[in-house]
Amino acid sequence: QVQLVESGGGVVQPGGSLRLSCLVSGFTFSTDAMHWVRQAPGKGLEWLALMNYDGSDVQYVDSVKGRFTISRDNSKNTLYLQMNSLRPEDTGVYYCVKDAKGSLDYWGQGTLVTVSS
Amino acid sequence: DVVMTQSPLSLPVTLGQPASISCRSSQSLVHSDGNTYLNWFQQRPGQSPRRLIYKVSNRDSGVPDRFSGSGSGTDFTLKISRVEAEDVGIYYCMQGTHWPWTFGQGTKVEIK
Repeated sequence: QVQLVESGGGVVQPGGSLRLSCLVSGFTFSTDAMHWVRQAPGKGLEWLALMNYDGSDVQYVDSVKGRFTISRDNSKNTLYLQMNSLRPEDTGVYYCVKDAKGSLDYWGQGTLVTVSS
Repeated sequence: DVVMTQSPLSLPVTLGQPASISCRSSQSLVHSDGNTYLNWFQQRPGQSPRRLIYKVSNRDSGVPDRFSGSGSGTDFTLKISRVEAEDVGIYYCMQGTHWPWTFGQGTKVEIK
């Protein structure tokens, strides 16, 4: 069955960096686009970034553009999110999500990122 | 960016009664390929979101048929024909037509 397992979350100071990973199984990772979506504590969902199947196309929401970088290693079935210049408002649960052409069909369990001094 | 506006934001419902959630977009969600990428997700307490409906009205495998989606252009609706206890949670609409993809604020469904 499809599984997406995020890791790498934790507590980081404002201005710091963190790299999230998402190990996937149960589908052919190298043929699917992938996304990151986050959810601030007690708040709604915010789409962050997309990378297409081979890394040649990326999209970001303005709030993370220039600070966050999505990447992937198809040989390791792993999606990444490099987060730099972190702010308190970046605190939340970060989900790795499989693309389904205009939709998001499979979600990971999420990893919590806390930006605080 | 496309703004997705849901109403109501809170929906107390009696078990066995119907429920309806509206989602309106600030611009048409018809893609240049002819499809309308409007999705509905359910997030139960303490869980990750789960997709219920894609392309306006297509129900995901395993989703009970009491859930249905409808609408077109900028105006969409999720209906639950008879609410059950397991339907408690927050429901989000999301558009996948225009970058960046955007979600509605969420509608909290609870049992009266």
